[in-house]
Parts: sequence; structure tokens; C-alpha cells
Amino acid sequence: EAAVTQSPRNKVAVTGGKVTLSCNQTNNHNNMYWYRQDTGHGLRLIHYSYGAGSTEKGDIPDGYKASRPSQENFSLILELATPSQTSVYFCASGDAGAAPLFGEGTRLSVL
Amino acid sequence: AQSVTQPDARVTVSEGASLQLRCKYSYSGTPYLFWYVQYPRQGLQLLLKYYSGDPVVQGVNGFEAEFSKSNSSFHLRKASVHWSDSAVYFCVLSANTGNYKYVFGAGTRLKVIA
Repeated sequence: EAAVTQSPRNKVAVTGGKVTLSCNQTNNHNNMYWYRQDTGHGLRLIHYSYGAGSTEKGDIPDGYKASRPSQENFSLILELATPSQTSVYFCASGDAGAAPLFGEGTRLSVL
Repeated sequence: AQSVTQPDARVTVSEGASLQLRCKYSYSGTPYLFWYVQYPRQGLQLLLKYYSGDPVVQGVNGFEAEFSKSNSSFHLRKASVHWSDSAVYFCVLSANTGNYKYVFGAGTRLKVIA
């Protein structure tokens, strides 16, 4: 069954610390995406990838890095976490133009 | 630039009543359009999708949507809502060329009351 799995589901981090959010997909999709969801903003694109080894900046990339070491895995990295990065993060995978599949989300609190 | 507007942040309807959630898009070509639903503390689940052809598309759980190129709209409808339809609904656009990024509306929070 097609699936996108995010880990961890919940994370509390300290300001200035490093945070890594992981995403795994079993759908063999080329494209993967990281979004954050905040009240009143819908989902905003942070980084995306067209395949292993590629990462592209989305609409709000500042303060985030991404890594796509394989077709299945796509990580979002906060090198120096700040309270403004407290949010819910969603990973998605999809083929070009098709409806993306979403993970269950990661709730991140930066204190 | 592409954009999606959902003009109603919150909608309240009575159980059994009909529903329309509005979505307007901005895109110079013919877009791919989707409606997703998000239940509390869950990810987004696809309700329906439009690529081309018949402007009325059917989705899961009795939902349908109608694409209008002249009005740049993709409104979601349901004939009779159930309390379990209470959720947040997102209209999503993807260009049919280029990098296939997705553009999200801000969402409409639906509350179904008895």
C-alpha cells in the first residue's frame, strides 16, 4: 500500500539546537516535498526534490536545509532551530502533476 | 504566478444540508486541481482531482467538484453533509507544465452541527 511515513511525530527542541525531520515513501515517486502548516497560511513549501541527490528551494527555505539520499528518503534539517519554526511539518510524495500523498505530520515545538 | 483563494475561512452547516465550498484559482493555463480534507491531527487525504474533460468530477464520500475555466473556479459540493464531514478542506492547484509544484489555498474549516 502506498504510504508516506514521517518521524518523529512529535518533537520538542531547544532554541539553537539541530533538528532533523525524516520522511520515507514506499510509492517509488520521483518528487518529494516538505511543507509547514500554520494557522491562516495553509501549507507552504519549504523544499522539494525531483529525485535522489536533488533538492530545490521552495517558497520559504530560509533556516531549513534538505537532503534526499535515496528515492525513498527525504529529510528536513533545521541547523539552528528558532521558536518561529514551531509548526506542523508535512512531507508528501508524488509524480509530476499527480495528486500528492501526504504523511501524518510532525509537530515541532522549539522552546 | 499561480495562486489559490478559498474565500471562506469557516463554514457552518446543519447536518443533512447541502454544502458548497468555494475555490478560485489564478493560472494562465489549464491547471490540475485537487481537493483535500484534513481531519484533526492527521495528514491531508485526497477527495477528488481534475485533470481535463468532464468539468464535474466525483470524489469519495459523496463529494463532487465543478471546474469552470471561465470563472477560474473549482467549487466543492456535497448534497447532504454528515457530522463526520467536519474538517478542514484545501483546494490545491498544480501547473500542468514545468516543475509541478503545488499551490495550496488557506483552507476552509467546515463545522457540521446537529
